[in-house]
Amino acid sequence: EVQLVESGGGLIQPGGSLRLSCAASGFTVSSNYMSWVRQAPGKGLEWVSVIYSGGATDYADSVKGRFIVSRDNSKNTLYLHMNSLRVEDTALYYCAGGGDYGYWGQGTLVTVSS
Amino acid sequence: EIVLTQSPDFQSVTPKEKVTITCRASQSIGRNLHWYQQKPDQSPKLLINYASQSFSGVPSRFSGSGSGTDFTLTINGLEAEDAATYYCHQSSSLPRTFGQGTKLEIK
Repeated sequence: EVQLVESGGGLIQPGGSLRLSCAASGFTVSSNYMSWVRQAPGKGLEWVSVIYSGGATDYADSVKGRFIVSRDNSKNTLYLHMNSLRVEDTALYYCAGGGDYGYWGQGTLVTVSS
Repeated sequence: EIVLTQSPDFQSVTPKEKVTITCRASQSIGRNLHWYQQKPDQSPKLLINYASQSFSGVPSRFSGSGSGTDFTLTINGLEAEDAATYYCHQSSSLPRTFGQGTKLEIK
């Protein structure tokens, strides 16, 4: 059974940094297209970033230059390093696996507020 | 950026009814269109990938069709448990984008 478990969310002040983790089981992070998708409270889904199996990465314009996606193959874990956080980054952050996002975690909530 | 526009935004339906949700892309995306169901306080779940392929374990009452710019999600014989918000999503090009969602309420 595939499981993706996110962690690392919390309350952070504007300008702060946070690192989210997504631990996978039954699914190999390094062999798959892995993404972060976020959902602001009461809103729809927004793609944030991707890391391809080959290691290349891509980002939404709204987070480019502030967020970095990475993975640790030995831990089968995906990360999202978030810097210079803004109030508008407040959202539930999901990791999603596979090219068609067939697998999702339960999400971790990031609240950016002073 | 490819914009996906779903219709309707909201629909109130009775059990056993047939429901159709449409998703229109601002440019051709081939068959790179996926459908998700999200129930309150739950993660999205993949229903249909690549326009018409049912994902593993998805009930047969869910089906998808379309290609290019126009796509449809159909629920044949709606059940009470289908109350949710449904999103379409394109994987044709970056940035990947989602439709705004269609909320289904069961009467």
